[in-house]
Amino acid sequence: EVQLVESGGGLVQPGGSLRLSCAASGFTVSSNFMNWVRQAPGKGLEWVSVLYSDGSTYYADSVKGRFTISRDNSKNTLFLQMNSLRAEDTAVYYCARDSGGTCLYDYWGQGTLVTVSS
Amino acid sequence: EIVMTQSPATLSVSPGERATLSCRASQSVRSNLAWYQQKPGQAPRLLIYGASTRATGIPARFSGSGSGTEFTLTISSLQSEDFAVYYCQQYNNWPGTFGQGTKVEIK
Repeated sequence: EVQLVESGGGLVQPGGSLRLSCAASGFTVSSNFMNWVRQAPGKGLEWVSVLYSDGSTYYADSVKGRFTISRDNSKNTLFLQMNSLRAEDTAVYYCARDSGGTCLYDYWGQGTLVTVSS
Repeated sequence: EIVMTQSPATLSVSPGERATLSCRASQSVRSNLAWYQQKPGQAPRLLIYGASTRATGIPARFSGSGSGTEFTLTISSLQSEDFAVYYCQQYNNWPGTFGQGTKVEIK
């Protein structure tokens, strides 16, 4: 059974950092296109970043230069390092699998809440 | 960036009735359109992809149609567990963009 479990969210001050984790089971993270998608309170869904199976990484303009996506193959886990956090980064962050490299997300985690506030 | 526009924002429907949700793309996305269901406090769940193909385990009361710029999600007979927010997403152009959602609520 495919499962994605996020962790690492919390309250952080503007300018601070946070590292999110997404532990996967039932499939291999490194063989898929793994994404982070976020949802601000009461808002819609916004793609944040993707890590391709070949190691390529891409980011939304709103987070480029501040966020870094990575993975640990030995732990089958995806990460999102978030630096220089802003109030507008407040959201629930979901990891999502794209098995075909088409930006179609077939499995999602339950999400982890990041709140940026002083 | 392709803008996805969903209507209506809120749809009030009685259990057992039919619900019809619309999604419009700012330019053609061919049939590269997905629908997701999200219940409060839960992650989105893939319902439909390829505009009309149900994902694994999705009941037959959910159907999708359309191509190009106009798409529809139909729930033929609403069950209590179907009251949720529904998002459309185009994945024709990278990185894929979502609509703002339609909330289906109990009338």
